[in-house]
Order: sequence, then C-alpha cells, then structure tokens
Amino acid sequence: DAKTTQPPSMDCAEGRAANLPCNHSTISGNEYVYWYRQIHSQGPQYIIHGLKNNETNEMASLIITEDRKSSTLILPHATLRDTAVYYCIVRAWGTSGSRLTFGEGTQLTVNP
Amino acid sequence: NAGVTQTPKFQVLKTGQSMTLQCAQDMNHNSMYWYRQDPGMGLRLIYYSASEGTTDKGEVPNGYNVSRLNKREFSLRLESAAPSQTSVYFCASSEADRANYGYTFGSGTRLTVV
Repeated sequence: DAKTTQPPSMDCAEGRAANLPCNHSTISGNEYVYWYRQIHSQGPQYIIHGLKNNETNEMASLIITEDRKSSTLILPHATLRDTAVYYCIVRAWGTSGSRLTFGEGTQLTVNP
Repeated sequence: NAGVTQTPKFQVLKTGQSMTLQCAQDMNHNSMYWYRQDPGMGLRLIYYSASEGTTDKGEVPNGYNVSRLNKREFSLRLESAAPSQTSVYFCASSEADRANYGYTFGSGTRLTVV
C-alpha cells in the first residue's frame, strides 16, 4: 500500500472549516483513500473514503486531486469535539490481503 | 449499541504472567483484527482473521497468539508478558477483508506490564 504524508499538527478556530491535507504521491490506480480519526485514545472512528471522485457524508467531505496524488479532508464547521488525531490511509482495492496501516496522523486542535 | 466489545478495559500484569484479551462483535462481520498502540504512535497490526477459521500474522506478532473462537469472537493471548508489551490494544472488525469496507474499532484495553 502507498505511503502517506501528513502534517504532524494543525489548529482551527471553532466554527471554521478545517482542511486537513494528505500527500500520497505513489498511490496506485486501485488504491482507496481512507480517513479515520482518534479522539483522546479512544478507538479510531471511520470518517470517509474515496477512490477518485470527491465524496461527502454527514461528517466530512473528501477532495481528491485529479492526479490522485493528494487529498484534503474537510470538516465544514469544526467544533471542540473534532479535536483528535486524523489518519489518512491508502489501501488497495480488490486484494484479499490489504489491511489498514496507520501512520502518525495529524493532531487537529480546535480552539474556542 | 451494536459494535465491538473488548474486555477487560484495564489490566496490570507482572512480567511473565499470561492473560487473554477478549473481543466480540455483533455486526455479523467476517473479518477481525488486533492492533496495539504505543504512546504517541499510530496503531500497528498484531494479528488478523480474514474469515472464521483463519488467522494470519500482522506487522508485530511476536509474543502473541490469537484464536478466532467463532464468527463473533477473536481473542489475543500473551503467554509470558513483558514490559515491552505495555500498550493499548484495540480490536476491530470489518464486513470483509477488502479495501472497500471500513473497520469498526472497540474502545481498547489498556495493559501495563510491570
């Protein structure tokens, strides 16, 4: 699975959009981009995933560049409860032997 | 609530003691996983079970054994605990071991080996 690069930390004001970048320049055509978050040592929580089209759900939006080498997770109106470590993970589709591999993620701090 | 249940939530062991961490899911998922997380680090895969009756090693399997007891339950055993195994252990499940299925995680077991 392709390696990802994320900034170690980011800050965001409450009520503003939080834009978390992820670089995955070696991504292959059959690899999904996944985002999880982990709030204060709880179990990681699934946020969203996508292959090449932009995706939106009740939690967030995922924007994937046309060349698929980077993506951005957008939390449209960040709240204090969104303070967490956010993990960007790429994972191959169509193979039975592909597990989630976590890096160190981005610590997002939402400030009042 | 449906999900992944881990027991115990906290445990302190002496070096050389053994114990089993329990994990059960009620979502009828086929695949289950054990991860460990050391302070300030991401999760690392210990063992996984792609389907009932199968288990495979992950990134850091040494010092651990697993049992997929049935479709619901996947246990992790430490035969002779060492201080290096002090960590938070997370169990997860997935509908299938394929990339288009996400994982659901339990709340973790915090293990300290002294």
